[in-house]
Amino acid sequence: DGGITQSPKYLFRKEGQNVTLSCEQNLNHDAMYWYRQDPGQGLRLIYYSQIVNDFQKGDIAEGYSVSREKKESFPLTVTSAQKNPTAFYLCASSISGAYNEQFFGPGTRLTVL
Amino acid sequence: KQEVTQIPAALSVPEGENLVLNCSFTDSAIYNLQWFRQDPGKGLTSLLLIQSSQREQTSGRLNASLDKSSGRSTLYIAASQPGDSATYLCAADTGFQKLVFGTGTRLLVSP
Repeated sequence: DGGITQSPKYLFRKEGQNVTLSCEQNLNHDAMYWYRQDPGQGLRLIYYSQIVNDFQKGDIAEGYSVSREKKESFPLTVTSAQKNPTAFYLCASSISGAYNEQFFGPGTRLTVL
Repeated sequence: KQEVTQIPAALSVPEGENLVLNCSFTDSAIYNLQWFRQDPGKGLTSLLLIQSSQREQTSGRLNASLDKSSGRSTLYIAASQPGDSATYLCAADTGFQKLVFGTGTRLLVSP
């Protein structure tokens, strides 16, 4: 089955700790994205990558970091500098270029204790 | 800066009704408009994508229209079913597939 996997589904972290969220896709998509979803708000773009070894900041990149060493993988690190990290995190991928749909993973719910 | 608004925020209808969900955007310079469905605690499922040059797209009981000049898109659901209950999100592609999302319409279809 082709798709996007995110792990873990639930993640708990103590304040001051960094944590890494996993995102893997086997759709052979070039582009990958990380979004954050908070109650009552739309999804907001954190980082995106159009190609391996290259990525750009989205609207709310502060306190987050990413890497794109492989086409299939786009891990997101939530650092201790992120002031309000408790949220639902969604990863997506698409074929690069205009008019292409984004496909989403099942999400990771991060709770900071 | 592109802003996307969805009205109503919540909608409750009896099974079998036809219904329309609205999405408006402030900047007409979009590449496409995508509609998604989200079930509670789950990721997003892509429903329809309308390219900027298109006026509408259809998939089964769903029909989405796009009017760039007025900054509006609608999602029409025919003969609604309880299984259609979910939150529906629209998103405008502002370039390089950077999507700007609305806050969604929460739909409840009762038997």
